[in-house]
Amino acid sequence: DSGVTQTPKHLITATGQRVTLRCSPRSGDLSVYWYQQSLDQGLQFLIQYYNGEERAKGNILERFSAQQFPDLHSELNLSSLELGDSALYFCASSAVTSGSYHEQFFGPGTRLTVL
Amino acid sequence: GQQVMQIPQYQHVQEGEDFTTYCNSSTTLSNIQWYKQRPGGHPVFLIQLVKSGEVKKQKRLTFQFGEAKKNSSLHITATQTTDVGTYFCAGRAGNMLTFGGGTRLMVKP
Repeated sequence: DSGVTQTPKHLITATGQRVTLRCSPRSGDLSVYWYQQSLDQGLQFLIQYYNGEERAKGNILERFSAQQFPDLHSELNLSSLELGDSALYFCASSAVTSGSYHEQFFGPGTRLTVL
Repeated sequence: GQQVMQIPQYQHVQEGEDFTTYCNSSTTLSNIQWYKQRPGGHPVFLIQLVKSGEVKKQKRLTFQFGEAKKNSSLHITATQTTDVGTYFCAGRAGNMLTFGGGTRLMVKP
């Protein structure tokens, strides 16, 4: 158990819909990352937040957005869903000390299926 | 932007054979991390290398960071069925951590 929780575990929805994925980082970790992993593919970095502020952006579509709340949990919003958005979405968290980033701890993921 | 390439994409080995995956970055890295993802699981951190030319060992796993800090390798000696999974390198430059595409290791008993 990494200490990172993600809900829901599975999500099945239809094209055109909007969903929200939730992540709670490990206790004390200020940095949260979101990744997309399609079937048998690598990890595509979407976005990073640090203590409530966006820190880095990867290949995140305009239909996707995220935020980190004061209690440090994060939500990833996916809208106007397309079949190609079906994937495993991971959240990870890490500690940051003296400007140095430590290892990332991944949650169990949310499997999104768009029909 | 920064790119991290990993080869091979797939590797089948007989149990007991050695295995190596290689990671190359388009830019100089401040550090590199390695993760393992078991089938159906999530990536789990293995190790971080920071210094040029650094070599670290974890039992049968040997990790190397190149002198130019642009490449790295993971070598597994005498693979076991428990080594099955996808191994990812992740290179850090600034505050960006870029994952390689991963090498999926399959071990035949």
